[in-house]
Amino acid sequence: DGGITQSPKYLFRKEGQNVTLSCEQNLNHDAMYWYRQDPGQGLRLIYYSQIVNDFQKGDIAEGYSVSREKKESFPLTVTSAQKNPTAFYLCASSAEFGLGVLNTEAFFGQGTRLTVV
Amino acid sequence: SQQGEEDPQALSIQEGENATMNCSYKTSINNLQWYRQNSGRGLVHLILIRSNEREKHSGRLRVTLDTSKKSSSLLITASRAADTASYFCATRAGTASKLTFGTGTRLQVTL
Repeated sequence: DGGITQSPKYLFRKEGQNVTLSCEQNLNHDAMYWYRQDPGQGLRLIYYSQIVNDFQKGDIAEGYSVSREKKESFPLTVTSAQKNPTAFYLCASSAEFGLGVLNTEAFFGQGTRLTVV
Repeated sequence: SQQGEEDPQALSIQEGENATMNCSYKTSINNLQWYRQNSGRGLVHLILIRSNEREKHSGRLRVTLDTSKKSSSLLITASRAADTASYFCATRAGTASKLTFGTGTRLQVTL
């Protein structure tokens, strides 16, 4: 069964603590993305990666960090520098590199809801 | 920054009616995509329209693209209660993989 898996589904963080959200895909996709969604809002791009060992900041990267050591995995760390981390986090992937024209859809995980306690 | 703005923000219709949502964007694009999100879930891809296409159909969905006006519309015909969800447009521009989403339209279909 191919797909993209996020874990955990719910995560609670204490003030000043770093937490890492997991995102794994077995679709053999080159590109992966992290988005943040606040209640009733659209998706804002945090980081994205077009290929292994490479990633770029999105529109709201401050207070977040990522790594892309394997094609299948793109973990997101929410650091203590992120002052308002409570949100719904969505990971996505798409087949990009080598296709020339970027006319491909994105596949999403089911999200991780992060709450600061 | 949000590339797309959907209009209306919320839409309530009765089952069997058609629902039309609009998306406006700011910069030139390679393609525009529409996604659906059920409450508290991930997004599901509905349809993709390339910048050189003007209209596309998929089942009860019809998407139009007007690059001169930098706008797109999504029409859902003969809506069903199961169509209740939020709908987002997303755009790709230039050579980057970056996929930028709009603010979304919340559709409520009542029996």
